[in-house]
Amino acid sequence: AQSVAQPEDQVNVAEGNPLTVKCTYSVSGNPYLFWYVQYPNRGLQFLLKYITGDNLVKGSYGFEAEFNKSQTSFHLKKPSALVSDSALYFCAVREHGSGNTGKLIFGQGTTLQVKP
Amino acid sequence: DVKVTQSSRYLVKRTGEKVFLECVQDMDHENMFWYRQDPGLGLRLIYFSYDVKMKEKGDIPEGYSVSREKKERFSLILESASTNQTSMYLCASSPQIQEQYFGPGTRLTVT
Repeated sequence: AQSVAQPEDQVNVAEGNPLTVKCTYSVSGNPYLFWYVQYPNRGLQFLLKYITGDNLVKGSYGFEAEFNKSQTSFHLKKPSALVSDSALYFCAVREHGSGNTGKLIFGQGTTLQVKP
Repeated sequence: DVKVTQSSRYLVKRTGEKVFLECVQDMDHENMFWYRQDPGLGLRLIYFSYDVKMKEKGDIPEGYSVSREKKERFSLILESASTNQTSMYLCASSPQIQEQYFGPGTRLTVT
């Protein structure tokens, strides 16, 4: 079965420290991978994606993610966390066999808390 | 910028009422989606549409229906609202296999 796992419900980091939010996936074929952020009472905002090419993908607000095919992972990273990065983060993978419908499979979400 | 709008941010309805949630996108996207989001359950796909008048069931379609009469508009209908449909409802659109763009969400409370 195709799936996305975010093994941590919550990640706590101090402001200024590097952060990592983990994501692993299970899908047939080449994965299309995405990260989204959700602030309280808001919709999801697209952060970055991996379709093909360079394994290190850069996105909005200084975030980046590293695609690792052998570990089937796509961890989200930022070198220096800000308090304003505190939010709910979702990893997603395009459902294999979904044609052009763009169906995504979402992880359960990880709450990032950045303390001053 | 892509804009996806939803008709209401907050909605309170009574059990048994028929509820319409509307979503409009302004980027001529083929695909549109309705999700519900509940604490601890993440996002669950209710229905999606890949073209006008075309729709497919998602993971939790029971108790819901949808309508897409125009490309830019995708409506979610709760035929007879129940308390277990109290949730945050999120609409999204995408151009084929690219990323989805989300609306701000509608927080529906059914009493």
